[in-house]
Amino acid sequence: QLQLQESGPGLLKTSETLSLTCTVSGDSISSSSTFWGWIRRPPGKGLEWIGSIFYTGTTYYNPSLKSRVTISLDTSKNQFSLRLSSVMAADTAVYYCARHWPTIAAPFDPWGQGTLVTVSS
Amino acid sequence: QSALTQPPSASGSPGQSVTISCTGTSSDVGAYNFVSWYQHHPGKAPKLMIYEVNRRPSGVPDRFSGSKSGDTASLTVSGLQAEDEGAYYCSSYAGNNNLVFGGGTKLTVL
Repeated sequence: QLQLQESGPGLLKTSETLSLTCTVSGDSISSSSTFWGWIRRPPGKGLEWIGSIFYTGTTYYNPSLKSRVTISLDTSKNQFSLRLSSVMAADTAVYYCARHWPTIAAPFDPWGQGTLVTVSS
Repeated sequence: QSALTQPPSASGSPGQSVTISCTGTSSDVGAYNFVSWYQHHPGKAPKLMIYEVNRRPSGVPDRFSGSKSGDTASLTVSGLQAEDEGAYYCSSYAGNNNLVFGGGTKLTVL
């Protein structure tokens, strides 16, 4: 059974870089035609797609975040990661990782439980 | 791209039906049949309930159904049960390798 688990620091200061890792079990992140994505939910707001990475390493980012986001794969650890630079209070959110396949338009399933990241000054 | 518009809340009594709307534009919901719905209970992983407008993943009760008309997609929950209470989010492919979500609807079972 495919499972995803987010991990990383829960508290950051303004202007720092957010770094989160999603550990995948039950499948290989190198599985053909698979996308691995990051989604976040700010407190009291809806979900926001941050970006996704194809199993080949090709990345796709939300245009509103593109200048600050980097998503990468670590096949040796079966993990993929999110880096968001120059964080601000508006980046406070629960961050989720999820799989979607076989196209980028496919639904996210399954998701991780999420990890809360708080940005303070 | 802008977020999809959902009503902030919806409610119904056990056994009743409730419909949640998700309004986008001709560039996302109206353009593609890649609309999904997710159920979220606090502290848990969001769960896929509907994909490609009206398809149900294995294990999702047939009480959940989806539809679309123009730029608006809808999720209908029939025969409401207590465990259906939670937040529901819609999403759509928006072209150019972009994805957009809705603001979420909190469903209360009275």
